This record gives sequence, C-alpha cells and structure tokens, in this order.
Amino acid sequence: ETGVTQTPRHLVMGMTNKKSLKCEQHLGHNAMYWYKQSAKKPLELMFVYNFKEQTENNSVPSRFSPECPNSSHLFLHLHTLQPEDSALYLCASSLNWPGLPDTQYFGPGTRLTVL
Amino acid sequence: GENVEQHPSTLSVQEGDSAVIKCTYSDSASNYFPWYKQELGKRPQLIIDIRSNVGEKKDQRIAVTLNKTAKHFSLHITETQPEDSAVYFCAASISGDNAGNMLTFGGGTRLMVKP
Repeated sequence: ETGVTQTPRHLVMGMTNKKSLKCEQHLGHNAMYWYKQSAKKPLELMFVYNFKEQTENNSVPSRFSPECPNSSHLFLHLHTLQPEDSALYLCASSLNWPGLPDTQYFGPGTRLTVL
Repeated sequence: GENVEQHPSTLSVQEGDSAVIKCTYSDSASNYFPWYKQELGKRPQLIIDIRSNVGEKKDQRIAVTLNKTAKHFSLHITETQPEDSAVYFCAASISGDNAGNMLTFGGGTRLMVKP
C-alpha cells in the first residue's frame, strides 16, 4: 500500500487559488500517470510521463499543469479551477519496458473540492 | 481512440452465487486487458489481467476470458463473498510500445454481494 503515495489526501480550494498535488512512487517504475475520477464518469487519463518526458496530454485544460522532475515524482499544479473540477485525482505508475509486466499501480488519490 | 464499454453498471448477487461483468473494446490493436477492484474510499487495485496471446486466465475464484475476434472480455467471480462488494473496472491498452501504457477504462460495475 505504500508503493505509490499522494499528498495531500484532501484539498479544498477556491477558484482563484493555486495549489499543487504531489505523487511519489517507490517501485522503481519509469512511467507515471494522472487520472481524474468523478462521480459520473469513468477513470479519465489526463497525462502520461515516460522517463520524465510527457508522452500524452489527453486534451486537458491548461488550468492543470503537470510536472515530472524525475521518474519517482509527479506533480499536478492547479490554478483558477472550476467547481466541475472537483473530483478524486489519482496518480499511477508502471514499469514500461519491453517484455516486462506494465501493470499500473495507483496511489490513494487526492479528493479535491473547488468552491 | 480506444472506447471501452462495460456492463452491467450495477450487479446484485446472493452470497455464493457467481458474478459476470462484460466489456467490449473498439481498437483491435489493444493487447492488454486488466481488471481493477475499487472498494469505497480506496484506490483501484489490480485483481487480474490478460494479454491478447491467451484466451483465459484464472486466479482462485476469479477468471477472465478474452475473445479477440468479437473484441470483448469478461470477468467471472465464483462463490461470491460480501468482501467482493466493490466497483470493478475493466480497461484496455496497447502495451509495450515504450510510450507509456495508456489505459482506457470502462464505466465501472458496482457489485453488491448480499449475505
């Protein structure tokens, strides 16, 4: 349960605030992901980083800004969010290497509420 | 892009009965199909996965079948127990292309096992 950690676990912010979500993985993986999970939609992939390089931006609004300084850490910077951005934000990581299992392991998530 | 449909959205069974959840996918190039279980307030956790080079995989009370021709795969849980109650997500991806494993998730099935 401690392989992928996320902080904070809960966050309440106003629409004019700037905040950051942090994810850290201790599994030696080289790929990291941000997902959004809301009540009425399935898990939505937001961003993918592979060896610190962003390989996917799934049409995410610019008010979400990811940062991946190294293969173990992933951030999601938030600014001028909207109430509809309230959701559970999940981080995941995987070992992306030819011939090896590439199962994604999820963190516990950050429950974000935008007022 | 890939589209994954999952049915049913809710499933209620009596303890000891079997449960079956079905998913269809659209991209014939998809070759990796994991199933995740998410208990209330917890992170999604992998319970079983299957790759396109096999048609069936079993792990104790859980089995997954894959029909590549029809592009559908199913989760089978036998001898259900109350602790099996959770939301189950299927997913599909093209794995092993060195760009990160981009999972597309189904909408989820809420399984309730009545004692």
